[in-house]
Amino acid sequence: GAVVSQHPSRVICKSGTSVKIECRSLDFQATTMFWYRQFPKQSLMLMATSNEGSKATYEQGVEKDKFLINHASLTLSTLTVTSAHPEDSSFYICSARVGTLNYGYTFGSGTRLTVV
Amino acid sequence: AQSVTQPDIHITVSEGASLELRCNYSYGATPYLFWYVQSPGQGLQLLLKYFSGDTLVQGIKGFEAEFKRSQSSFNLRKPSVHWSDAAEYFCAVGLTGGGNKLTFGTGTQLKVEL
Repeated sequence: GAVVSQHPSRVICKSGTSVKIECRSLDFQATTMFWYRQFPKQSLMLMATSNEGSKATYEQGVEKDKFLINHASLTLSTLTVTSAHPEDSSFYICSARVGTLNYGYTFGSGTRLTVV
Repeated sequence: AQSVTQPDIHITVSEGASLELRCNYSYGATPYLFWYVQSPGQGLQLLLKYFSGDTLVQGIKGFEAEFKRSQSSFNLRKPSVHWSDAAEYFCAVGLTGGGNKLTFGTGTQLKVEL
């Protein structure tokens, strides 16, 4: 149980275009989801916390207008990278908190974004 | 703010040898502690977690970790490593407040020699 599905797994887009990444909880309801960015050979950096039905909370230094997060339902959160540039190329991972913190977090399989 | 330190960036062990990956945290109280494993190009899989109680925690794939409050450590161990254990390992700290966010260490890349 507690599976998070993330799509697409890989995407290549042109500079200036927008890309949407989906994160779905398949067998549970996720009121809170998290979006991370991971640079090669580095750790995960939290970008924002997504709460169902409310605005996302962004970490310091993360551009809200560039990384749009929508959490319109209890099973779906989306991250849209707007006007993408090559420096946005990275590995993006979502996770969902299952129940209370004691249950831990379930992670999606990640999305490799390449902006050319 | 809490922080997590994984002192070893890379570790190489022979298959069948024992393994210990180090993790130290900085926080005023006892945090929730996690170990995750990540294969290349994949998401993270939870190995084990500690919240309270027995300080020796058993996880999946034969891994265990021991919480030592006096040393602010939560080291991951495995008695006999398999070639399939080669991956990136992350220690993480979670708090009950502050949005229940996880803070990750920088990771340890494990290489297993056959």
